[in-house]
Amino acid sequence: DTGVSQDPRHKITKRGQNVTFRCDPISEHNRLYWYRQTLGQGPEFLTYFQNEAQLEKSRLLSDRFSAERPKGSFSTLEIQRTEQGDSAMYLCASSLGRTRNEQFFGPGTRLTVL
Amino acid sequence: AQSVTQLGSHVSVSEGALVLLRCNYSSSVPPYLFWYVQYPNQGLQLLLKYTSAATLVKGINGFEAEFKKSETSFHLTKPSAHMSDAAEYFCAVSDHNTDKLIFGTGTRLQVFP
Repeated sequence: DTGVSQDPRHKITKRGQNVTFRCDPISEHNRLYWYRQTLGQGPEFLTYFQNEAQLEKSRLLSDRFSAERPKGSFSTLEIQRTEQGDSAMYLCASSLGRTRNEQFFGPGTRLTVL
Repeated sequence: AQSVTQLGSHVSVSEGALVLLRCNYSSSVPPYLFWYVQYPNQGLQLLLKYTSAATLVKGINGFEAEFKKSETSFHLTKPSAHMSDAAEYFCAVSDHNTDKLIFGTGTRLQVFP
């Protein structure tokens, strides 16, 4: 299967701990997006990459959040000093990067902060 | 700024009945619109997309949507609901510059036997 993969699928952590999520996009896709989805809401944009360059960050992405995409391949999203409000599903998507191209989503990482 | 509004957070239909999920958009430029479906604890799967070609768009699993500029709407329909259609459905508009998706709050579809 060559879809978007995310690891881990579930993460339970204690408040104040750091967590890191990984996303592997479809291999030929040069755009990679991160979204956050809280219970009962639609996904909200966090940040996106064109190859290795991070081109936009949402105001939702506080200074405790950092994302990287070294070499334009996989991406990581790190949350430092987690808070209970960080509990959510974190979704990754990738696309070919041509205008208005379809985004393919991974299964998501569900974070629970105790 | 672009946005979408989904009317009705829950819709319930009987198996075999018509499915109608409503979505209205706001955009200062010609929009690109999408419908995604999400099953429990899974990511999003694209049902269909409107990219300024035909106004009636056919998607997977028998779903279709009609783009109506005069009504700023992009409602999702299916003639006959199946039990397997029970899921959360999201309407989204694509940002003109970055292609990031701006989602509605979703509509949960329940299908009763």
